[in-house]
Amino acid sequence: DTGVSQNPRHKITKRGQNVTFRCDPISEHNRLYWYRQTLGQGPEFLTYFQNEAQLEKSRLLSDRFSAERPKGSFSTLEIQRTEQGDSAMYLCASSARTGSGNTIYFGEGSWLTVV
Amino acid sequence: GESVGLHLPTLSVQEGDNSIINCAYSNSASDYFIWYKQESGKGPQFIIDIRSNMDKRQGQRVTVLLNKTVKHLSLQIAATQPGDSAVYFCADLGGYNKLIFGAGTRLAVHP
Repeated sequence: DTGVSQNPRHKITKRGQNVTFRCDPISEHNRLYWYRQTLGQGPEFLTYFQNEAQLEKSRLLSDRFSAERPKGSFSTLEIQRTEQGDSAMYLCASSARTGSGNTIYFGEGSWLTVV
Repeated sequence: GESVGLHLPTLSVQEGDNSIINCAYSNSASDYFIWYKQESGKGPQFIIDIRSNMDKRQGQRVTVLLNKTVKHLSLQIAATQPGDSAVYFCADLGGYNKLIFGAGTRLAVHP
């Protein structure tokens, strides 16, 4: 499978614990995005990388959230001191600029439940 | 502010009928739109895209229409099948390729 890969797919954690999600984008895609989606809503933009540079962060990304893409390939999203409101699906996506557009492909998401 | 919204939250159709899902956007500078299909528990799946220099684009059983005058786009699915049941999102590609999604339309296909 050469699509966007996310791990773990599901995570249940106690409030106050830290969690980390990993995303492996499509090979040679230099752009990587993180989104958050809650039930009944569309995905909300969190942050965007071009290669290893984090170019934009949403106001949704509080100081408890940090994302990295150290070598311009895979990325991690860490949530510190989790709160129940962090329960959501965290989606990763990637794209590569091509002549036909900037199609963004999503992974299957990582479900987080904070209890 | 910039927003992308959908007219109907739920659409029920009979198997074999054509489906039309509508979407409105507010940013007149938007120049690229993508339709995604999302099945329960899965990530959004790319269906079709369209640039603002086009008013129609066709794929396999799907057609996207763009009306820039009224800032409206639609997704037409021909001969709707049970496997088409899902939530459909339109998304507007903004700065830094930041997709802005609406809440989605749930398509329910009945036999």
